[in-house]
Amino acid sequence: IAGITQAPTSQILAAGRRMTLRCTQDMRHNAMYWYRQDLGLGLRLIHYSNTAGTTGKGEVPDGYSVSRANTDDFPLTLASAVPSQTSVYFCASSTGRGGFNEQFFGPGTRLTVL
Amino acid sequence: GDSVTQMEGPVTLSEEACLTINCTYTATGYPSLFWYVQYPGEGLQLLLKATKADDKGSNKGFEATYRKETTSFHLEKGSVQVSDSAVYFCALSNRDDKIIFGKGTRLHILP
Repeated sequence: IAGITQAPTSQILAAGRRMTLRCTQDMRHNAMYWYRQDLGLGLRLIHYSNTAGTTGKGEVPDGYSVSRANTDDFPLTLASAVPSQTSVYFCASSTGRGGFNEQFFGPGTRLTVL
Repeated sequence: GDSVTQMEGPVTLSEEACLTINCTYTATGYPSLFWYVQYPGEGLQLLLKATKADDKGSNKGFEATYRKETTSFHLEKGSVQVSDSAVYFCALSNRDDKIIFGKGTRLHILP
């Protein structure tokens, strides 16, 4: 494979359940990101990681957590899902060499919380 | 803080029409500017970029020029095709590697 993969492609989840969205990249990029995309709001950054072992909060981090145990994987966890977390989630990566770099996006996970 | 404002859609055009999607930005320093495109059911992909003032990015017949004096990066294409139907996002990146996206403009091209 080349690029970023996300799993699952889509998921329907009951409120209160725990859910982990998976993201894997094979480009050896340092930086990785999670966004949510909602109609009329564009893309909003949830969490990011500049390099393996570090993470940071984005614009809308509440209710989400991430980890970056290695370069390739960047899972996003919803500890107790709520209906407002219904969205399309995109993972992205970049070389992270200090700025101005394009990001490469995965195909997205469509999550519905009932 | 840094921000991007782009024209609201949807924009509907006939095939072979001229396209302009306006984008303006607010940023400290000298950001890089991007246009990303999202085709139906897919993630975003980079369409073009410009890293300094007066640079012109181009790809697939699309162009955008980095205008620092007007803080703009308008996307243009002389003759659109049905296959150009997508959502277009203007974006900027500053030193910290994070990208600020506009809200997106949906483009419909009619045959």
